[in-house]
Amino acid sequence: DGGITQSPKYLFRKEGQNVTLSCEQNLNHDAMYWYRQDPGQGLRLIYYSQIVNDFQKGDIAEGYSVSREKKESFPLTVTSAQKNPTAFYLCASSIGVGFAYEQYFGPGTRLTVT
Amino acid sequence: GESVGLHLPTLSVQEGDNSIINCAYSNSASDYFIWYKQESGKGPQFIIDIRSNMDKRQGQRVTVLLNKTVKHLSLQIAATQPGDSAVYFCAETQPQGGSEKLVFGKGMKLTVNP
Repeated sequence: DGGITQSPKYLFRKEGQNVTLSCEQNLNHDAMYWYRQDPGQGLRLIYYSQIVNDFQKGDIAEGYSVSREKKESFPLTVTSAQKNPTAFYLCASSIGVGFAYEQYFGPGTRLTVT
Repeated sequence: GESVGLHLPTLSVQEGDNSIINCAYSNSASDYFIWYKQESGKGPQFIIDIRSNMDKRQGQRVTVLLNKTVKHLSLQIAATQPGDSAVYFCAETQPQGGSEKLVFGKGMKLTVNP
């Protein structure tokens, strides 16, 4: 089965700790994205990557970091510098670069920081 | 996630009725629009898209209408079924510098009563 996987589904951390969210795709897509979703708000772009070893900041990159060492993987680290890390995080991928290409979303990871 | 439907406007319909979900966009330069469906605890799923050179596009049980004059997008679901219950949101591509970005609406929660 081809698709995007995110793990874990639920993640709990103490304030001040960094945490890394996993995103893997076997769709052979070049582009990958990380979004944050908060209740009552639209998705907001954190980071995106159009090719291996390259990534760009989105609208709300502060307090987050990413890497793209492999085409299949685009992990997101939520650092202690992120003021409000509790949210639902969604990873997506698309076959081509550019936001007009259909994005396929993973099932999401709910991060709770206390 | 499970809380994505909180604080959103809600549309309740009876099974078998037609549903219309509306979306207003702000940027007249937007040229590509997408409707997504997000079920509780899952990532968004692509439903249908439309480019700005069209005013109507039909899929299976769904129709998207685009009115560029008033910057309005709507999703019509025919013969709504309980499985259609979800949060629906639109997205538009907006020019940004020499590239483009995808901007997501907040969404509307559709509840289908059997």
